[in-house]
Amino acid sequence: EAGVTQFPSHSVIEKGQTVTLRCDPISGHDNLYWYRRVMGKEIKFLLHFVKESKQDESGMPNNRFLAERTGGTYSTLKVQPAELEDSGVYFCASSQASGSRYNEQFFGPGTRLTVL
Amino acid sequence: AQSVAQPEDQVNVAEGNPLTVKCTYSVSGNPYLFWYVQYPNRGLQFLLKYITGDNLVKGSYGFEAEFNKSQTSFHLKKPSALVSDSALYFCAVRTRNRDDKIIFGKGTRLHILP
Repeated sequence: EAGVTQFPSHSVIEKGQTVTLRCDPISGHDNLYWYRRVMGKEIKFLLHFVKESKQDESGMPNNRFLAERTGGTYSTLKVQPAELEDSGVYFCASSQASGSRYNEQFFGPGTRLTVL
Repeated sequence: AQSVAQPEDQVNVAEGNPLTVKCTYSVSGNPYLFWYVQYPNRGLQFLLKYITGDNLVKGSYGFEAEFNKSQTSFHLKKPSALVSDSALYFCAVRTRNRDDKIIFGKGTRLHILP
């Protein structure tokens, strides 16, 4: 079974440009999470999808960030326009539907975003 | 506010010696507890977790962690360090609410000296 995949693995853009990150969760996983680690800081939660709906977007830093999950499959995270402080590693994770006693979150390899 | 503290930015240990990476947490209730590892140029890998039961949890690569409820700690340990253990280690917690987000510490860089 394929794990969580993310694309691209690394993106270098200039300040003011737009970047779109993609996450493909494990097939059949309803829950999809985005996290971010800025250099030297902790990994922080950004938002949580249940299927195509945003369950919790309390961690989204500002309105330059837009996350979508059309059809409840893969998700995209767009940063527009990108700022220097957006540089970091963006992780995606997925887990099975609610109802289980414990749902493991499986992480992808991350996308390293560098804004110059 | 819920938080995870990893008091050491970096830990240096000689190869073959025991290692400990410290973690304390502040979360209401009885959380799930985790350790993740990130090797250079690699993604986030799950190492071990505490859900319930025995306070000593064994995980991958010979690592173990001890849950101490009274001290709200979940220190990561290994009896004999390897150079290949050098990596960035993250302690994390999650509440027992369904599908809740994971809260991470800021990470501890472990250097195993040959």
